[in-house]
Amino acid sequence: KNQVEQSPQSLIILEGKNCTLQCNYTVSPFSNLRWYKQDTGRGPVSLTIMTFSENTKSNGRYTATLDADTKQSSLHITASQLSDSASYICVVSDRGSTLGRLYFGRGTQLTVWP
Amino acid sequence: EADIYQTPRYLVIGTGKKITLECSQTMGHDKMYWYQQDPGMELHLIHYSYGVNSTEKGDLSSESTVSRIRTEHFPLTLESARPSHTSQYLCASSARTSGRVPSYNEQFFGPGTRLTVL
Repeated sequence: KNQVEQSPQSLIILEGKNCTLQCNYTVSPFSNLRWYKQDTGRGPVSLTIMTFSENTKSNGRYTATLDADTKQSSLHITASQLSDSASYICVVSDRGSTLGRLYFGRGTQLTVWP
Repeated sequence: EADIYQTPRYLVIGTGKKITLECSQTMGHDKMYWYQQDPGMELHLIHYSYGVNSTEKGDLSSESTVSRIRTEHFPLTLESARPSHTSQYLCASSARTSGRVPSYNEQFFGPGTRLTVL
């Protein structure tokens, strides 16, 4: 069964600190992995997309890594800001259909305190 | 920010009412999707469309229906709302990215409609 598991479920950090979110997946055949940021009451917004040949990608203070062998990804947030408070969702796409089906994790709820 | 819109943003209605959630995108994307998301849970695909006059059911069974008469418009309808339909509904669209191997369809999400059925 194709699954995406994220940890931790929730995380509280102080402003200015770094943090790392984890994602493990069993989706096969693998096409790509995305990290989305979802603010409360809003739709998800894409942060990074990585294919199997990419093992790291950065977007400002966000750096995602991918280990396709162990089927693990991480999202590292540097120098956190209050606006980083949101749910971060790991999404994996398969190559098994023309639709490119997406499998969603439940997200990590990040809270940044001043 | 992606040009995909959903209305209304919030809706509170009584049981048995018929409702239509609107979704429009101005990016000319051929594929569109509807997801359902409960608090703290993952998104579940309930409907999708490859293009005009194409609609398919997603992974999660839903009593809602959709239509795709125009490329930019993908409304979702509930004929008789029930409290079990209370949820957040997210619309998304995508176009296949060319020139990459493998190609992938980046999905852009609307802001969502939070539906509460009393």
